[in-house]
Amino acid sequence: DAKTTQPPSMDCAEGRAANLPCNHSTISGNEYVYWYRQIHSQGPQYIIHGLKNNETNEMASLIITEDRKSSTLILPHATLRDTAVYYCIVRVYNTDKLIFGTGTRLQVFP
Amino acid sequence: DGGITQSPKYLFRKEGQNVTLSCEQNLNHDAMYWYRQDPGQGLRLIYYSQIVNDFQKGDIAEGYSVSREKKESFPLTVTSAQKNPTAFYLCASSIDGVGQGSPLHFGNGTRLTVT
Repeated sequence: DAKTTQPPSMDCAEGRAANLPCNHSTISGNEYVYWYRQIHSQGPQYIIHGLKNNETNEMASLIITEDRKSSTLILPHATLRDTAVYYCIVRVYNTDKLIFGTGTRLQVFP
Repeated sequence: DGGITQSPKYLFRKEGQNVTLSCEQNLNHDAMYWYRQDPGQGLRLIYYSQIVNDFQKGDIAEGYSVSREKKESFPLTVTSAQKNPTAFYLCASSIDGVGQGSPLHFGNGTRLTVT
């Protein structure tokens, strides 16, 4: 099954860029990489997704390596409100299922 | 505003009772999903539906049932056969399914406690 690997936790100073890595070495050629975040006791919030090219929106940037085996989510200027668990997810091949791992707990400190 | 509504936010039941969790969306999305989250864990897929009157089991469907009679509604019933029903339940939808590259949009969840 498609699977992602993320560090369990990271720290980032407020105002600095937060770079969250994700390994998805088993990804299939036509599968998207999705990023979500979850603040305690709320539903996950969609951040961004991409296939091959780098993507940017108002929340973040997504950098996908050329071989597509890994990606990095970049929050350019982290704030205290960005403290959350961040999930990197890929689809299980040929299904409509996204598999969530345990994610990275990002702590932004003043 | 368009979105996904889950109700109630907190639900308490006695062991042995069935309970139905509500999920309604006004996004006109075709696909809907139910996930379960336990403390410190990621989300696990219970059931999903890509179109009205059709649904598929996810990874942990035992002890749960769903229906999809209307596009905007996807209720989940937690039956007495579910061994560990206490959890945080999340409903989500997407325009046409994640296989098409469409992201999931989540509700804010229902926290079910069974004693």
